[in-house]
Amino acid sequence: DTGVSQDPRHKITKRGQNVTFRCDPISEHNRLYWYRQTLGQGPEFLTYFQNEAQLEKSRLLSDRFSAERPKGSFSTLEIQRTEQGDSAMYLCASSLKGAGFSEAFFGQGTRLTVV
Amino acid sequence: AQSVTQLDSQVPVFEEAPVELRCNYSSSVSVYLFWYVQYPNQGLQLLLKYLSGSTLVESINGFEAEFNKSQTSFHLRKPSVHISDTAEYFCAVSESTGNQFYFGTGTSLTVIP
Repeated sequence: DTGVSQDPRHKITKRGQNVTFRCDPISEHNRLYWYRQTLGQGPEFLTYFQNEAQLEKSRLLSDRFSAERPKGSFSTLEIQRTEQGDSAMYLCASSLKGAGFSEAFFGQGTRLTVV
Repeated sequence: AQSVTQLDSQVPVFEEAPVELRCNYSSSVSVYLFWYVQYPNQGLQLLLKYLSGSTLVESINGFEAEFNKSQTSFHLRKPSVHISDTAEYFCAVSESTGNQFYFGTGTSLTVIP
């Protein structure tokens, strides 16, 4: 499978714990996005990387959230001191940004439940 | 920031009947428009997109959408739906000079046998 893969697919954690999610984009893609999707809502933009540089962050990304893409390949999203409101599906997408439009391909997501 | 409105949260329709899923966006700048489909327990898949050119775009499985700049709409249609079309459909917009996608809240299409 050469699509975007996310790990884990499901995560249940206790409030106050830290969690980390991983995203492996399509190998030649230079852009990587993180989105959050809550029940009954569309995906909301969190942040994106161009290669290893984090170029934009949403105000939804509080100080408890941090994302990295150290070598411009896979990315991690860490949530510290989780809260019940963090329960959501976390989606990763990647694209190949060139001179024109590039389609974003989404992974299957990581479903986080904070209890 | 862009906003995308999908007026219908749920659309039930009988098999082989036509369907229209509505999408409106707020923008006065050049945009790209998309429809994504999400089947249960799966990620988002691009259904079709409008970048430029013909305002009517089609997917390989019979869906079509028409870009209407004056009405800032990008409604999705299919003349005859199948059971397998049951899914969540998301409209999205990206500014042509922008770097992110803005999604609507989704429309749950249920095809009734």
